[in-house]
Amino acid sequence: DADVTQTPRNRITKTGKRIMLECSQTKGHDRMYWYRQDPGLGLRLIYYSFDVKDINKGEISDGYSVSRQAQAKFSLSLESAIPNQTALYFCATSGGTGANEKLFFGSGTQLSVL
Amino acid sequence: GQNIDQPTEMTATEGAIVQINCTYQTSGFNGLFWYQQHAGEAPTFLSYNVLDGLEEKGRFSSFLSRSKGYSYLLLKELQMKDSASYLCAVPSMDSNYQLIWGAGTKLIIKP
Repeated sequence: DADVTQTPRNRITKTGKRIMLECSQTKGHDRMYWYRQDPGLGLRLIYYSFDVKDINKGEISDGYSVSRQAQAKFSLSLESAIPNQTALYFCATSGGTGANEKLFFGSGTQLSVL
Repeated sequence: GQNIDQPTEMTATEGAIVQINCTYQTSGFNGLFWYQQHAGEAPTFLSYNVLDGLEEKGRFSSFLSRSKGYSYLLLKELQMKDSASYLCAVPSMDSNYQLIWGAGTKLIIKP
């Protein structure tokens, strides 16, 4: 079984709809992240959480919200989806507190907003 | 500002050697990561360099020069399965060490 699991793998939705992407992990890591990836651009951080009570905005948080329901679960919501939120979304975890901690990624969610 | 540059695409031949470069400009330095990402899949960790020099891991090696703001990933004895994107990333001093990512280099391996 995957250590970091994202659902759904693919989602097509319409402009204005609310959708939620879910992420769960069995690695026991405190730190969790949501990224989006667009063709020709680097991964961009949407939100990150260092523990259940700690949520931080990343560089592109507008239009998104998150919930850290438990150490193992971190969900991303688009309150009112728009076409430029069409992207590949990744959840990731890391185990430590230093700059050298590597990330473990989920398999991604391809989201299309029509 | 903070910036990372990588070539967009490279092509190499099976069995050959290829070097993928990455240059960075950051305020402070806390190491540099390389990740591999096959098309449609998640990135996976390859290496982390914080000191100058070459670190070898099997067919893959990573080099860092902090004074030049430069790193490269060296892939030897290329195999078709090495066709992937290679992502360079550095922790940002400005935001809890969150990673600043390059756009990635798509490596195409030809028989």
